[in-house]
This record gives sequence, C-alpha cells and structure tokens, in this order.
Amino acid sequence: QKEVEQDPGPLSVPEGAIVSLNCTYSNSAFQYFMWYRQYSRKGPELLMYTYSSGNKEDGRFTAQVDKSSKYISLFIRDSQPSDSATYLCAMSGGRGSSNTGKLIFGQGTTLQVKP
Amino acid sequence: EAQVTQNPRYLITVTGKKLTVTCSQNMNHEYMSWYRQDPGLGLRQIYYSMNVEVTDKGDVPEGYKVSRKEKRNFPLILESPSPNQTSLYFCASSHVPGQEKLFFGSGTQLSVL
Repeated sequence: QKEVEQDPGPLSVPEGAIVSLNCTYSNSAFQYFMWYRQYSRKGPELLMYTYSSGNKEDGRFTAQVDKSSKYISLFIRDSQPSDSATYLCAMSGGRGSSNTGKLIFGQGTTLQVKP
Repeated sequence: EAQVTQNPRYLITVTGKKLTVTCSQNMNHEYMSWYRQDPGLGLRQIYYSMNVEVTDKGDVPEGYKVSRKEKRNFPLILESPSPNQTSLYFCASSHVPGQEKLFFGSGTQLSVL
C-alpha cells in the first residue's frame, strides 16, 4: 500500500463547477499537508498548505485536513479553464520529526475545466 | 528574480555514460531536494539536503549521487545511467526543512538509450 493515495483522474468539469480533489494517507506522523499545482511541462507550484487538522481558505481554494480519517481535500469554487492542471497532494512529518526532510507526494489528479 | 535553475532542460544519453544535472537556487534556501516524476507514479524523492554537507536518501536513491558543497548548488549525478532512469527530474528548494513551501525548477527530461 502506498503511503499516499490519490485518484489520478482525469477529472473533467464545466466552467463554474465546484471541484473536489482528495488524498488518503496511512502514516499518522504526517503533520504538514500541501497541495501543488502543475501545469503541463512546468514544475509544480505550491497552492495551499495546512498544518495538522482543519481548514484553510485562499480565494477560490479551500484545503481541508481530517487527521482522524487520514483524509485531505482541496476544493475549487467557480472553477475556470485556467485551473486545468495536475494537482498533487504532498505530506511531511515537518520540523523535529524523525522524517524531517522527507516529503511524500500523491500521484496527482489531472483536472480539465471546459469553457 | 527568485528561482531554481536546472540544466540541461533536455538530455539524451546512452547507458553507462556518466552525467550530471545541475541545480542552483538564488534564495539562500537551506533545504534542497531532487525528485523524479513518472507516469502513474507521481513525484518520488531521490535525495535531499538539509544544509551544506548534509545529504540523505529519499525513497528512490539507487543509482544516484548528490553533493552539497555550497548552499546554492545541489547537483544530481548518475554514475552509470540505465534506461529505467529515463524520467522527468525536478530540483526543489525551501527556506526551512519543514518544506511548507517548495520552489521547483523547470525540470530536466532525461532519456537513457
């Protein structure tokens, strides 16, 4: 079993739809949870990060972490064609943990937002 | 401009011919790391470095070497490349080892024939 599981999609939605992207994980030591966006032929860029459980909102994007269920989500409201990209979840034990320095990525979900 | 610079962008080589992919960052970051990205497998960490002269293995270190002699540079060395190392490689850096914000390079597409 992989430490981090993410449905690769592809996911296709109409413009304006609410998009839900999810990851599950097995390592309870993970403390930092991140979402990266990767456009074709580009390096990933950080979109959202959350420490421990809870929600974080930034514009049209909301990140949720449920540590009890080992489940994280990224919601995109009013999706736009420019949101079409691959979204990667990532997790780490953070500073001070035995896994400091190690970052585990999900395999990424490809999203297409159609005009 | 703050950036992570990888070179070369594309590289085609043959089995067994040693190669180096360079990575340099201009943000004075402590932490640097290398990843490979393969279809269906996502990004996998090869090696990382918490600071100068400190490196450690990630999940897939076999067949790779790294060095961190200077803070800004973190080259990836393939002593004897094999076809299964054909992949898209990314270098990344972060200010602190908690990695809350990784800055990625543009990638190096490597083909080993």
